[in-house]
Amino acid sequence: DVKVTQSSRYLVKRTGEKVFLECVQDMDHENMFWYRQDPGLGLRLIYFSYDVKMKEKGDIPEGYSVSREKKERFSLILESASTNQTSMYLCASLTGLGTDTQYFGPGTRLTVL
Amino acid sequence: RKEVEQDPGPFNVPEGATVAFNCTYSNSASQSFFWYRQDCRKEPKLLMSVYSSGNEDGRFTAQLNRASQYISLLIRDSKLSDSATYLCVVNMAGSQGNLIFGKGTKLSVKP
Repeated sequence: DVKVTQSSRYLVKRTGEKVFLECVQDMDHENMFWYRQDPGLGLRLIYFSYDVKMKEKGDIPEGYSVSREKKERFSLILESASTNQTSMYLCASLTGLGTDTQYFGPGTRLTVL
Repeated sequence: RKEVEQDPGPFNVPEGATVAFNCTYSNSASQSFFWYRQDCRKEPKLLMSVYSSGNEDGRFTAQLNRASQYISLLIRDSKLSDSATYLCVVNMAGSQGNLIFGKGTKLSVKP
């Protein structure tokens, strides 16, 4: 079974802190994604990566950056957390070889105080 | 870019009922179609892909109408465990796996 893990299920940070959210997949997938999910807004794509050291902006990249130094790991960075970044963050991956099924991690619920 | 529309619900139905969800998409270049299921406070998981000829998986039937840009999901003989949010999802060729998610339709099956 594909396994996508995220470093924390719940996280509480203060405004202005630098926040790292880690995502690891164990199936040698090419493509990885970071979303945030908010009530009434659904899933919104922040960034994605289709290869090591490659990254592309999604729909809402402002206030975020990412890092993909190894194929299995995709990190989301909040350089200076703000209260409007309180959300559920979901990581996903897929093989990129003609399949479209994204496998999601369990999510990180981030609260910025 | 966000052009997958779903009725948000909630749909409240008794056990055993048949319920149908509809979804429309605006981009005619969309090539792949899916229904994902998301339980409360959990991650989305693939329920089924949707094929042009329509497809069935047990109590679940998915249909696609490309001309009308319309996707449906039918659940027969609803179970309590079907209670979840159902996400309509589309993908375009060459999008590197970027999926466009609808906001979801919430289903609550009552005893």
